[in-house]
Amino acid sequence: DAMVIQNPRYQVTQFGKPVTLSCSQTLNHNVMYWYQQKSSQAPKLLFHYYDKDFNNEADTPDNFQSRRPNTSFCFLDIRSPGLGDAAMYLCATSLAGGSNEQFFGPGTRLTVL
Amino acid sequence: AQSVTQLDSQVPVFEEAPVELRCNYSSSVSVYLFWYVQYPNQGLQLLLKYLSGSTLVKGINGFEAEFNKSQTSFHLRKPSVHISDTAEYFCAVSPTGFQKLVFGTGTRLLVSP
Repeated sequence: DAMVIQNPRYQVTQFGKPVTLSCSQTLNHNVMYWYQQKSSQAPKLLFHYYDKDFNNEADTPDNFQSRRPNTSFCFLDIRSPGLGDAAMYLCATSLAGGSNEQFFGPGTRLTVL
Repeated sequence: AQSVTQLDSQVPVFEEAPVELRCNYSSSVSVYLFWYVQYPNQGLQLLLKYLSGSTLVKGINGFEAEFNKSQTSFHLRKPSVHISDTAEYFCAVSPTGFQKLVFGTGTRLLVSP
């Protein structure tokens, strides 16, 4: 089945220790998104890639970076995690030119100690 | 700019009772409309979407929604809920021509026996 895969599902890191979250997709979608979702809140868009073009949201902290080495993979790098970065991180994909229906992965829950 | 309002943060209901989750939006351009469901510690799953055509949309798990352009609403309904419907429900809009979703704040549906 075509899908969006996120690894790991649970990640524990220490305050200030860089961490990378991974997303891959078999849908061959050209748009990939990273969202941050805190408890009992809606997902908050951090940035998205339209093909290789990176689109950062204006309020995304510099501490968050992303890489998309190819169509299938996208990474979220948190350079110096703070306690406030503990959250669920969701990856999603869509096909440009359509309805923008987004397909979500299962998420990675990040804990910062 | 677009915005989505889900007035009910939590809706308690008994099993086998009907339920309606409300969603209103504002937009100066045409939008596509979506309802997503999120179970604990999981990603978002599409329940249904309105793109065009019939204003009554049927989705998975027995849910349906009706698009009302004059009232800018897209309420979600189910005639008889199950315990397994307990989850967070997000309404979202996508302005046509944009590669983003605007989410509401979510409604937690709590189904009890």
